[in-house]
Amino acid sequence: GAVVSQHPSRVICKSGTSVKIECRSLDFQATTMFWYRQFPKQSLMLMATSNEGSKATYEQGVEKDKFLINHASLTLSTLTVTSAHPEDSSFYICSARGPYSSGGLSSYNEQFFGPGTRLTVL
Amino acid sequence: AQKVTQAQTEISVVEKEDVTLDCVYETRDTTYYLFWYKQPPSGELVFLIRRNSFDEQNEISGRYSWNFQKSTSSFNFTITASQVVDSAVYFCALSEAALTGGGNKLTFGTGTQLKVEL
Repeated sequence: GAVVSQHPSRVICKSGTSVKIECRSLDFQATTMFWYRQFPKQSLMLMATSNEGSKATYEQGVEKDKFLINHASLTLSTLTVTSAHPEDSSFYICSARGPYSSGGLSSYNEQFFGPGTRLTVL
Repeated sequence: AQKVTQAQTEISVVEKEDVTLDCVYETRDTTYYLFWYKQPPSGELVFLIRRNSFDEQNEISGRYSWNFQKSTSSFNFTITASQVVDSAVYFCALSEAALTGGGNKLTFGTGTQLKVEL
């Protein structure tokens, strides 16, 4: 099956620093990647949709200047949390939309999830 | 707008009991996909099932079974003879079809924490 990796798996940083999280599709090309955020004991909330070679589309309420997304290649998307603060501490999960589709005109392209990155801002 | 409701926040059962996790969804689309994911303490999401809106057949996979009722907009998940290893958070999710422009964005429910005890 398709594999998506995230790096780092865990990061602790001081308030005010920037943190970059990488999401890679290891064995397939992904024109679209998604970034989710999950607070403790809560659901996954979509932050943004990252399209290769173009600007990311952010969900309402997500600060684009705070969460910088770059999707420079078909296998790599990065999320940079700029000037991180304790309230940014969360579990960040990416997913990559694979090339495989099913269902004919109503196709669905499978999403494969990374293992997540736990960010702690002190 | 799409919405997924998992009314059960937490369920505790004793091993070997059967347990059903409820999922109710809302969407205006006629074509959509429903999912269940398992999230163990490690955090990684484990895909369990995808079902499209045109297929209302129930599905069984080992101890797992799913009941899709379009009339009540529900997609419930049953674990038969639960085991301690089933302890995790389970998420129900909904996605539009790609060609409707949503790009397959997933809308997740709030999750149900399942605790299976000896």
